[in-house]
Amino acid sequence: EAGVAQSPRYKIIEKRQSVAFWCNPISGHATLYWYQQILGQGPKLLIQFQNNGVVDDSQLPKDRFSAERLKGVDSTLKIQPAKLEDSAVYLCASSLDPSLPGGDEAFFGQGTRLTVV
Amino acid sequence: AQSVSQHNHHVILSEAASLELGCNYSYGGTVNLFWYVQYPGQHLQLLLKYFSGDPLVKGIKGFEAEFIKSKFSFNLRKPSVQWSDTAEYFCAVNQRNTGRRALTFGSGTRLQVQP
Repeated sequence: EAGVAQSPRYKIIEKRQSVAFWCNPISGHATLYWYQQILGQGPKLLIQFQNNGVVDDSQLPKDRFSAERLKGVDSTLKIQPAKLEDSAVYLCASSLDPSLPGGDEAFFGQGTRLTVV
Repeated sequence: AQSVSQHNHHVILSEAASLELGCNYSYGGTVNLFWYVQYPGQHLQLLLKYFSGDPLVKGIKGFEAEFIKSKFSFNLRKPSVQWSDTAEYFCAVNQRNTGRRALTFGSGTRLQVQP
């Protein structure tokens, strides 16, 4: 079974520039998450999609971050403009459907390591 | 809001030593509990999970965890660690019976096993 695919793996940008990350979840997974993991910390949720609808974006800095999941499959996360404190690993994860038995198990991609200089 | 505490940030053990990593969460409702592992250079992988039933759950690679509801704890254990267990371990929790099923993670424990 193919896992969660993310690209790019690494990105270095200057502050105030924009950047976009892409995620392709496991086929058939209705739920998609974006997490931010700052060095030395655990992943922190940015946004949760159920199919193509947003379930939770309460921790997404909406003045600079945006995300979409058109057609309920792959997703993009954008930062514009980037700040130094956005340097982190951005993780995408997917799960089947929380309403199903075992549907809570989240599968993670390799992540995109963003460095803002 | 729920939170997860992992008290050990960095643990160094010799091979064959026993391991116990602490995890406590704060949330009064019904939760699902998880331990994830991240080996160097790899993605986060599920080690084990607790949804309901027997509070002692067994996962991959000889790991187990015990859910103690009265203590809001879900500690991870392994009787004898191997060098290949060197990794970062994350405890996570989500709320059952809500639409917001995203995981809340602890800050992680870096385990270093010396040969």
